[in-house]
Amino acid sequence: EVQLVESGGALVQTGGSLRLSCVASGFTFSTYWMNWVRQTPGKGLEWVATIKEDGGEKQYVDSVKGRCTISRDNSKNSVYLEMNSLGVEDTAVYYCARDGAPPGIFFDKWGQGTVVAVSS
Amino acid sequence: EIMVTQSPATLSVSPGERATLICRASQSVSSNLAWYQQKPGQAPRLLIYATSTRATGIPARFSGSGSGTEFTLTISSLQSEDFAVYYCQQHNKWPWTFGPGTAVEIK
Repeated sequence: EVQLVESGGALVQTGGSLRLSCVASGFTFSTYWMNWVRQTPGKGLEWVATIKEDGGEKQYVDSVKGRCTISRDNSKNSVYLEMNSLGVEDTAVYYCARDGAPPGIFFDKWGQGTVVAVSS
Repeated sequence: EIMVTQSPATLSVSPGERATLICRASQSVSSNLAWYQQKPGQAPRLLIYATSTRATGIPARFSGSGSGTEFTLTISSLQSEDFAVYYCQQHNKWPWTFGPGTAVEIK
């Protein structure tokens, strides 16, 4: 059974940093692109970042570019999202999600989410 | 960026009835459109991708159609477990964007 388990969410102040983690099991992690997607009551679902199987290609939504870094460790079946200069607009539930298949990026498996709350 | 809209925002349907949800894209996404179901307190679940391909384990009462800029998710006979929020997402062009959702509620 595919499982994605996120951790690292917390309450932080504006300008702070956070590192989210996601541990995968039940599939060959190193053969899948992986993603972070966030959800807020106001903006709904928003794709945040994607990383290729070998980490050689990364994509970000414009609103986090320069502030966030996605990375992975295939030896640990893990994907990470480093977030800096956090603002209240980054408050959301952050989901780790596996890419389905080409073309493009969609999300065939999701974790349960981890909550990031940014306060001023 | 491709904007994705959904209608209606809320759909009231009786169990056993048919539900039809609409998703529109601001420019053509070819057939690269996915649908997700989300229940309260849960993560979204993939239902359909590439317009009409059901994900593993998704019942046949869920079907998708359309192309270009207009797409439809049809639930042929609503079951109690189908009352949820449904999102569409284009997977044609970066950045990958979602619609705002349609809440399917019990009439």
